[in-house]
Amino acid sequence: NAGVTQTPKFQVLKTGQSMTLQCAQDMNHNSMYWYRQDPGMGLRLIYYSASEGTTDKGEVPNGYNVSRLNKREFSLRLESAAPSQTSVYFCASSDNSVGTDTQYFGPGTRLTVL
Amino acid sequence: GNSVTQMEGPVTLSEEAFLTINCTYTATGYPSLFWYVQYPGEGLQLLLKATKADDKGSNKGFEATYRKETTSFHLEKGSVQVSDSAVYFCALTTTGGGNKLTFGTGTQLKVEL
Repeated sequence: NAGVTQTPKFQVLKTGQSMTLQCAQDMNHNSMYWYRQDPGMGLRLIYYSASEGTTDKGEVPNGYNVSRLNKREFSLRLESAAPSQTSVYFCASSDNSVGTDTQYFGPGTRLTVL
Repeated sequence: GNSVTQMEGPVTLSEEAFLTINCTYTATGYPSLFWYVQYPGEGLQLLLKATKADDKGSNKGFEATYRKETTSFHLEKGSVQVSDSAVYFCALTTTGGGNKLTFGTGTQLKVEL
């Protein structure tokens, strides 16, 4: 049981390049989330998917798109990377059957945009 | 809207010292409150939670009590160890909020021998 996995672990991009961050969970959870972590700002929600087939914007969605490919997988895409998107990105999942279930986090992707 | 305020770090303690990390919140509706911990180079993991007023969450010697009257959820441990060195995040969700977490900025704890 791997929990939440993310790929890649590290990535360096040049301004304007695109990339997709992959996330998968094997806990049969309904809900999945993408956060970014920046120094002094905690974690901020980018997008989330309450259930398969649905996605919604979080606090900081600009410059990102997401795809809930199936119940297991939730990807985050940067179409044209900017230095302001340098951050650590975390994917999380939860069962959400009672609205306040624990979120389980992946190990993160450290992204640098030059 | 929802917000979480926690004390800034880093907090540096000697092993076996008493730990308090303050957390206060503002929320619409009835929040559930969480403490997550992030060890170096890892993702976040749930440390403890409380879902209603006066509940006490506890785990690994850490405790926090949901105080509605003071809108607080302070984290305490009676005797810290070097292995407790990590970043601690206070967070909340509200009913009907899709289980979206609102985080505080995190408090780094360093425990020295």
